[in-house]
This record gives sequence, structure tokens and C-alpha cells, in this order.
Amino acid sequence: SQQGEEDPQALSIQEGENATMNCSYKTSINNLQWYRQNSGRGLVHLILIRSNEREKHSGRLRVTLDTSKKSSSLLITASRAADTASYFCATEGPTNAGKSTFGDGTTLTVKP
Amino acid sequence: GAVVSQHPSRVICKSGTSVKIECRSLDFQATTMFWYRQFPKQSLMLMATSNEGSKATYEQGVEKDKFLINHASLTLSTLTVTSAHPEDSSFYICSARKPGGTEAFFGQGTRLTVV
Repeated sequence: SQQGEEDPQALSIQEGENATMNCSYKTSINNLQWYRQNSGRGLVHLILIRSNEREKHSGRLRVTLDTSKKSSSLLITASRAADTASYFCATEGPTNAGKSTFGDGTTLTVKP
Repeated sequence: GAVVSQHPSRVICKSGTSVKIECRSLDFQATTMFWYRQFPKQSLMLMATSNEGSKATYEQGVEKDKFLINHASLTLSTLTVTSAHPEDSSFYICSARKPGGTEAFFGQGTRLTVV
């Protein structure tokens, strides 16, 4: 079953603005990963954050993790039209044996 | 990063026929691969875990006789949708991990349309 919930479901912003997406989960995790999916395409791995980490950066991406609240956020700064895509969080728990449980995703539209 | 190749990227088949989808890890060996299904505008649902040299482990509600999984080598897993029906039309995606790795590498996905 899916344990991740993301909000908002859809987000529309202007180029140059920042985009923040949130992910909540229900059970203990080993790590949480964010993925990007362009329409009708496969997934691209963006960033992984482990349960003992609180924040990670990668280029224009910033991910936070609050295990006490069982939530994570993905911030994309200075967004570009090319960032338009769906973004999913995925969790892996201590007993998941390597499989990921995906959230519902946030559809981001960046208008030029 | 590692490469996982999925083939075909798109397939259209007639109701009642079977379709095979391949998932290959091109530059690493994967003892475990995962198969997901994604309906339009929805998230990915794990269907099964493919284990090299042994039977696949299916998630609750997934018909193992309908979705046959074979992981015959360390670089190849196949998903066969048997006796396909229009409701099987979906996007199917596989993933694989390097031994001991935490990052999952995804294939490009296969868009199956059953007519």
C-alpha cells in the first residue's frame, strides 16, 4: 500500500520562483528519495536523504527530512520551464528489503 | 549512474494475447528487480519483487498467474502480461539496485495499450 502523501497535488508557478513540495509518510524509514517524472517517461532519481540526515542539497534542489513529523520537503529554487514534471517521494523502510513505496506525487508546472 | 534499460517502450496488443516486457541492468548485476504499474496521473504501485534464480514475490492483490515474472539472469527480468485485457493498459516500470546500494535505477517504462 502507498504510505506517502504529497501536497500539493498540483503546483503552478512562474519561472524564477521557488517551488516547494511536501511528502508525509506513516512508518519508520531507512531513507527517503525524490524522483522526477516527465509526462509518459520513466523516473529520474533526484536526491536521497537518510533517516539520520536532516537536510541535503544538490544544485537547485534542497531536501529536508523531519522524522519526528514523518515528513519531507523538496524545494526547487529559481525554477525553470524545464522543471515542469511530476515529482514523487519514495520511502524505504527497515523491512522493505529494497523496495520503494511511492507517494501520490506533485505535478509542477513552471510557466515561462 | 547505472543504466536500466526497458524494452519495448510502447506496445499495442489485442485482447487475449500475451505481452513480454524486458528489464535489463546494463552495467551492473542485480539480484533483485522491482516491477511497478502506474495508471494515468497516479503514483507507482509496486506489483512484485523479482528475485534472480527464485520465484517472484507478489504484492497483495496482484495476480501472479496474470503477471508472470522471470528473473533468469543477474541482468534480466521479464514481465509477461498474459491474456491481456483493456484494463491491463497501463505504464509499467522496472527498477533495479546495485548490490548493497540504496539508490534505485529505473527503466524508461513501457506503455501498454490493449485493444
